Amino acid sequence: AQSVAQPEDQVNVAEGNPLTVKCTYSVSGNPYLFWYVQYPNRGLQFLLKYITGDNLVKGSYGFEAEFNKSQTSFHLKKPSALVSDSALYFCAVRDRSSSASKIIFGSGTRLSIRP
Amino acid sequence: KAGVTQTPRYLIKTRGQQVTLSCSPISGHRSVSWYQQTPGQGLQFLFEYFSETQRNKGNFPGRFSGRQFSNSRSEMNVSTLELGDSALYLCASSLGHTGGADTEAFFGQGTRLTVV
Repeated sequence: AQSVAQPEDQVNVAEGNPLTVKCTYSVSGNPYLFWYVQYPNRGLQFLLKYITGDNLVKGSYGFEAEFNKSQTSFHLKKPSALVSDSALYFCAVRDRSSSASKIIFGSGTRLSIRP
Repeated sequence: KAGVTQTPRYLIKTRGQQVTLSCSPISGHRSVSWYQQTPGQGLQFLFEYFSETQRNKGNFPGRFSGRQFSNSRSEMNVSTLELGDSALYLCASSLGHTGGADTEAFFGQGTRLTVV
């Protein structure tokens, strides 16, 4: 069975500092991995994905994520946080071995960037 | 290209009533998934439809059902509403097949259902 864990409910960072939002996953096969962001009263917006190849994936708004197969992690990072990055972030996984597999989301991490 | 459209955006219903929510996917997308989002439970997968067939189902009671039409539009229905059904219901569409570039889902803005 697929699962995703986001161990931190909330992450607080000062503007201009680097940020990391953690994610670990579990799938029976090889994963597709995703990060989404949600602003208040909105749907989820796609940020980036890992499919194959380079373990460091770059996405929208200056975000990047590093795939680590041995640690089954896919942490989201940004070198310099902006106040506008404050939002709810979701990590998600899909088992690539089946076209019928569903996307499973983590519980979300609220990112708060203070000026 | 138009995004995923969910209607209505807001709904208020009374306990015991039923409700139907609608989702129009991105043109060309054949997979539609539904999620329930609540503060306590996060994003819970309801079901996924692909080419008019239910392909996956989450752990929700039979009061929650859905369907997909030949044009890929989807509806979900909740019967005998309970207070605990109050949530943001999100629809997501994707192309629906394996392939490196085509696996992410695109979400609508959701329907906020309040049961009173």
